[in-house]
Amino acid sequence: KAGVTQTPRYLIKTRGQQVTLSCSPISGHRSVSWYQQTPGQGLQFLFEYFSETQRNKGNFPGRFSGRQFSNSRSEMNVSTLELGDSALYLCASSWPLRGTNTGELFFGEGSRLTVL
Amino acid sequence: SQQGEEDPQALSIQEGENATMNCSYKTSINNLQWYRQNSGRGLVHLILIRSNEREKHSGRLRVTLDTSKKSSSLLITASRAADTASYFCATRNYGQNFVFGPGTRLSVLP
Repeated sequence: KAGVTQTPRYLIKTRGQQVTLSCSPISGHRSVSWYQQTPGQGLQFLFEYFSETQRNKGNFPGRFSGRQFSNSRSEMNVSTLELGDSALYLCASSWPLRGTNTGELFFGEGSRLTVL
Repeated sequence: SQQGEEDPQALSIQEGENATMNCSYKTSINNLQWYRQNSGRGLVHLILIRSNEREKHSGRLRVTLDTSKKSSSLLITASRAADTASYFCATRNYGQNFVFGPGTRLSVLP
């Protein structure tokens, strides 16, 4: 079974630009969540989607948005990039357990964004 | 603020020694999980312990959970150089998102 796939793996943008990151979950997984990882802040939760609906959202500005498609693939978008948005963006998928989704997360390798 | 807090932040040991990492959290949880991350890579799930469990084993890993103290520990026995990585605890309650601690960087020296 293929793992979680994130694209692109690396990208460089300049301030003010926008970026779209993609995540393909493990086949059959309906829940996808996104995390931002930086040396200073650690792993910060961005949002979680289940069956195309956003279930939870972290404490990030509105420049950060996401969506999930009917095939469970997910995208996140960051508009008006700032230097502080440089980070490793990780996507994780999971199989819900009786609808409560307390099971393990399967992570992709991440998309490393550098904002210049 | 993050719910999980690992201790120590960094740990350096010799191959063959045991490594113990601790995690504290603040609110009620449904389960607590430990993950490993090799430098710049994605996280890999190691073990899950439910709130009604006190101890769990998986290979060289032993996890304990004390809900009265809101703390957990991860023990890696007979460490190997390949265990060098960052280790994170993650907690979640029903209907809420996962919260990860800042992690413990483990270095296992040959």
